[in-house]
Amino acid sequence: QVQLQESGPGLVKPSQTLSLTCTVSGGSISSGGFYWTWIRQHPTKGLEWIGYIHYSGSAYYNPSLKSRVTILVDTSKSQFYLKVSSVTAADTALYYCARGRDANTYLDYWGQGTLVTVSS
Amino acid sequence: QSALTQPASVSGSPGQSITISCTGTSSDVGGYNYVSWYQQHPGKAPKVMIYDVSNRPSGVSNRFSGSKSGNTASLTISGLQAEDEADYYCSSHTISSTLVFGGGTKLTVL
Repeated sequence: QVQLQESGPGLVKPSQTLSLTCTVSGGSISSGGFYWTWIRQHPTKGLEWIGYIHYSGSAYYNPSLKSRVTILVDTSKSQFYLKVSSVTAADTALYYCARGRDANTYLDYWGQGTLVTVSS
Repeated sequence: QSALTQPASVSGSPGQSITISCTGTSSDVGGYNYVSWYQQHPGKAPKVMIYDVSNRPSGVSNRFSGSKSGNTASLTISGLQAEDEADYYCSSHTISSTLVFGGGTKLTVL
């Protein structure tokens, strides 16, 4: 059974960089058919797709966030990472990592989510 | 990319059927058979209920079904049960190789 677990600081100051880690267990992060994805959910709001990375290193980002977002992968640690720069209160959200399937068409396994608050 | 359009809320009585719509454009819903639906209970992570418009993952009840016509996809839940009360989100692959979600629909079982 594939499991994903997010980790990282729960509080980030405005203008700083938000950094999160997703650790994958129960399956290989290096399998070709999967797309390691970040999604966020603002308080009492809907889901927002942030982007994904393939184990090969290729990445796609939400155009609205592309200038501030970087997603990286470390296959040796079975981890992938999210960095969001120049954060504001609008980046306060529950951040999920998930596994994308079949050329990024749906998400079959999700982490439990981690809340990140942007505040001074 | 613009969010897909879903009704904010729907409701139904136990045993009834309900349908949730999800409207996009020819660049997402209408252009690909890659619509998925997610169920989210309060405080929980989303769970995929339908993928590729109408496919159910193993373990998902056959009371859940999906379809698509043009730029609009639909999720139908038949034989409504109390445990179906949750938020539902649609998602679609897009022409830019990204994913876009709908705004979510709150299902209330009366």
